[in-house]
This record gives sequence, C-alpha cells and structure tokens, in this order.
Amino acid sequence: AQKITQTQPGMFVQEKEAVTLDCTYDTSDPSYGLFWYKQPSSGEMIFLIYQGSYDQQNATEGRYSLNFQKARKSANLVISASQLGDSAMYFCAMRGLGSGGFKTIFGAGTRLFVKA
Amino acid sequence: EAGVAQSPRYKIIEKRQSVAFWCNPISGHATLYWYQQILGQGPKLLIQFQNNGVVDDSQLPKDRFSAERLKGVDSTLKIQPAKLEDSAVYLCASSLSLAETQYFGPGTRLLVL
Repeated sequence: AQKITQTQPGMFVQEKEAVTLDCTYDTSDPSYGLFWYKQPSSGEMIFLIYQGSYDQQNATEGRYSLNFQKARKSANLVISASQLGDSAMYFCAMRGLGSGGFKTIFGAGTRLFVKA
Repeated sequence: EAGVAQSPRYKIIEKRQSVAFWCNPISGHATLYWYQQILGQGPKLLIQFQNNGVVDDSQLPKDRFSAERLKGVDSTLKIQPAKLEDSAVYLCASSLSLAETQYFGPGTRLLVL
C-alpha cells in the first residue's frame, strides 16, 4: 500500500531564511512521481515541483528544490529565501501505479508560517 | 490559458438533501479528478476519469456519490442524500494524461447542516 507521511504539523521560519519541509513515503511501485503543492488560505492547490523516481538529479523550480533521497524514501521540499507570501499549507503527494493506474495520494500537510 | 473552473464556490445544504458540483478542466486535458478535502486533512481522491471513462473510483462512496463526464470534457459530482460528514472542500483537477502533473481548480466548499 502507498503511504505519505508529513510529520511537521506546523513550521515557523524567519523571512529571507531557508526552510525544509519533510516528506517520507512508502510504496512498492517500481515507478512513481513525487509532488509538492501549496495551498494558501484561499483554498486552491498550487503545483510547485515534481520529482520522478528515476530522475538522477534533484528537481528545482526557482526558490523551490526537492531533496530526493530514494534509499531513505524521503522527498523534502526546500524553500530558499522565504517570503511572507509563502505562508500557507504545503502538501506532499505521490503518484504510483496502483490497481487503477497512476493513483495519487496526499500527505496531511505542513502549515508554514513566515515571520517578518 | 484558462485554469480549471468549478462551480459553485460555496454551498450550504441540510442533511438528506442532494447537491451537485460542476467542473470544467483545462482545455485539452484528458484526465479529470475529483478529490474530497476534509478540514485539516490532505485531499483524498474520489474518482478519476480518462476522457469519458472511469479509471478509478475505488474510494467513491457509491451508495450516495456519483460522477459523470459524459462528453469527455466537463464533469459533475453529485451527492444524494448528503450526510453531515460530507462537509468538506471538493476539488477538481485535470492533467494532460494520467502520467502528467495535476492542476487544481478553486474548489467547492460544502457545508451540510
């Protein structure tokens, strides 16, 4: 069975500093993808970054990078130079090849607070 | 490029009533998903369509929930009859295909009294 675990219910970071949001996963699928989404108070899920299980290099998108450690089954999100607008919920998700094909599961999320 | 559209944005109903949500995916996206997000939790996949066919509905409570995507474009999710525990945000997402990134709509917030 697939599982996503986000162990940090809430995180605080000072503006302009970097922060790491943890995500561990469990799957028996040989091929899978890992995603991070941001959900501001408005409720919309905003796609941030994607890492494929066979990608050799860690994904980066602007201030976002994904620290992918396959052997440890972790896919942590690193946000550099935090901004006040980064305050939001952050969800880690995994898409694997389930019985229905490419089933996606989400973690419980981490709420990030950026302090001025 | 227009994003995923959903309506209504908010809905309040009494238990045992029925309700329907509508979703229009990004143009050209073959795959459409419906998620339920209960307050304080991550989204839970209810059903996913590839064009007008159901790929997975294993977590859809079929005794009360139904969904369709008749022409392979927009989709409707229905709850009949609603229960108190159905209070949640219902998110629609779409992707070019099953293997591509999902993009989400603004969601419909449902409150069942």
